[in-house]
Amino acid sequence: DAGITQSPRYKITETGRQVTLMCHQTWSHSYMFWYRQDLGHGLRLIYYSAAADITDKGEVPDGYVVSRSKTENFPLTLESATRSQTSVYFCASSYPGQGHTEAFFGQGTRLTVV
Amino acid sequence: AQSVSQHNHHVILSEAASLELGCNYSYGGTVNLFWYVQYPGQHLQLLLMYFSGYPLVKGIKGFEAEFIKSKFSFNLRKPSVQWSDTAEYFCAVNPNGANNLFFGTGTRLTVIP
Repeated sequence: DAGITQSPRYKITETGRQVTLMCHQTWSHSYMFWYRQDLGHGLRLIYYSAAADITDKGEVPDGYVVSRSKTENFPLTLESATRSQTSVYFCASSYPGQGHTEAFFGQGTRLTVV
Repeated sequence: AQSVSQHNHHVILSEAASLELGCNYSYGGTVNLFWYVQYPGQHLQLLLMYFSGYPLVKGIKGFEAEFIKSKFSFNLRKPSVQWSDTAEYFCAVNPNGANNLFFGTGTRLTVIP
């Protein structure tokens, strides 16, 4: 199916483990984003990418790594998971045009770090 | 710091009541404005957006929002809510042609049948 998909939907991991969250989109959107959603904070941008091999930090990048070797994939890696990284993670993509950016979101990944 | 503010954290309404959710932002210059909705257990979906033209925009499911530039506001309205409108609503701003969105903290709406 076309769209933006995230995997896994749910993940429980231990403190200190490396975890990778996957994001795949079929629209060939140039921009992709990772947000985390936490109570009281809304959505905060972790990293974004303007195109393949171009990534940049968002508001809360510490402890995360991203890569974008292909336009359609934008994995997010937690190098050494901490409990503060327990959150719901949303991937989004957009195709900027006419000076505005409408983002399309994936279903989210609920990550619990124990 | 520049921000997006949603002052109502949780709103509880009875069915058929009118709804207005506030959104204020502090970015200057040209902005594009969005309201997203997140139904329980689901991802964010776009309700409506404004980027130019007439300041009253209509979205899906009977929602509308009014951009008041002088007040830096983009309030969301619906004349008569339904139980199925129970969700979390996020205001988002795309300032000055930036390529990402800045979100408010969200407003949880609970509609009582």
